[in-house]
Amino acid sequence: DVVVTQTPLSLPVSFGDQVSISCRSSQSLANSYGNTYLSWYLHKPGQSPQLLIYGISNRFSGVPDRFSGSGSGTDFTLKISTIKPEDLGMYYCLQSTHQPYTFGGGTKLEIK
Amino acid sequence: EVKLEESGGGLVQPGGSMKLSCVASGFTFSNYWMNWVRQSPEKGLEWVAEIRLKSNNYATHYAESVKGRFTISRDDSKSSVYLQMNNLRAEDTGIYYCTRSHPFDYWGQGTTLTVSS
Repeated sequence: DVVVTQTPLSLPVSFGDQVSISCRSSQSLANSYGNTYLSWYLHKPGQSPQLLIYGISNRFSGVPDRFSGSGSGTDFTLKISTIKPEDLGMYYCLQSTHQPYTFGGGTKLEIK
Repeated sequence: EVKLEESGGGLVQPGGSMKLSCVASGFTFSNYWMNWVRQSPEKGLEWVAEIRLKSNNYATHYAESVKGRFTISRDDSKSSVYLQMNNLRAEDTGIYYCTRSHPFDYWGQGTTLTVSS
């Protein structure tokens, strides 16, 4: 199975900060057609997870441009610039290139 | 508007069974792969199962932790996906979400399963 290692576990922030979350996979997430199914989600308490970024760097509809994704192969990053109160919660990356699909362990974005 | 609505959760004893349902609306259900994802405080988000399209012979895939115990199915005529869960364990406790893919762009509100004696 593909192991997805997400760091850091916890990210204390102040509003207005810029932060990065890393996601590393144990094997390349590019398939034989050149597609990479790496996506990022925000999960707030009491709510359903929400898709932020798909296909490494594509923002989902309605997602502010302060969220950006980058990377390739086995190494991926989610950047959030100018953090706002509504950005607090758990962030997860997901690889859905290889079965079984696997989530990263999560990063808790919280106030310092 | 895309909507996914889960139902069927509750309290069940270890070794028991439960069937979750998810009804979809606002999109052509038969054109999308569907998945179940669960969340527990200990493990975070965990992908559980996927079912593909009629054109894929409704191929299914499972997480190792549920293989042989859980069965995902769908009824395109009812825009519904199901998760039959047997031989339940305490570690299956959590909130179960249905979501369509790829990517996992829309999620239901979740239904809570508690496995406890």
